[in-house]
Amino acid sequence: GAVVSQHPSRVICKSGTSVKIECRSLDFQATTMFWYRQFPKQSLMLMATSNEGSKATYEQGVEKDKFLINHASLTLSTLTVTSAHPEDSSFYICSAPDRGGAVSQYFGPGTRLTVL
Amino acid sequence: LAKTTQPISMDSYEGQEVNITCSHNNIATNDYITWYQQFPSQGPRFIIQGYKTKVTNEVASLFIPADRKSSTLSLPRVSLSDTAVYYCLVGDMGYGGSQGNLIFGKGTKLSVKP
Repeated sequence: GAVVSQHPSRVICKSGTSVKIECRSLDFQATTMFWYRQFPKQSLMLMATSNEGSKATYEQGVEKDKFLINHASLTLSTLTVTSAHPEDSSFYICSAPDRGGAVSQYFGPGTRLTVL
Repeated sequence: LAKTTQPISMDSYEGQEVNITCSHNNIATNDYITWYQQFPSQGPRFIIQGYKTKVTNEVASLFIPADRKSSTLSLPRVSLSDTAVYYCLVGDMGYGGSQGNLIFGKGTKLSVKP
């Protein structure tokens, strides 16, 4: 099946710094990718839809200036957490829809962000 | 937007068949039903998808009654490695963030004991 990778797998940073997370589709092109956030013992929460060649679409309550999304190519989307604070510590997961549409998705392995 | 309801948790023993039911009373005509499995600190993994009746693959079966208001994921002869959270999603083929196929409910935490 299709593979989605994320880098880094885990990152620890100081409060106030910015962190960039990469999401790559390894064997297929993805004009759309999705970013989720998952807090401990909770479900995944959709943050935004990343669109190649256009602006990302953010879900209600997600600050677009804090979570910068750039869909640089058909295989790469990046999420930058700007001025990170301890409350941003979470598990960030990206996904890409299968070729038939968004009915099912291929998920990346996730990135564990810890902000000290 | 079809909302899904699943049991919060289930316990089972190795070798047993496990059935997890998901309720989706407001499912729309164009909606598909998709199940994912998630292990701790990993991204979800696609298990199975269906529209109506029964679907079977190498890891699971999905039973969908005629009214499609619910669905049952069946895992045959579970092992310890099947301990995970299972999510049921309902939605059509769309890319919008409000699509049900992108909205995760609380899921069902399955614990398989030896």
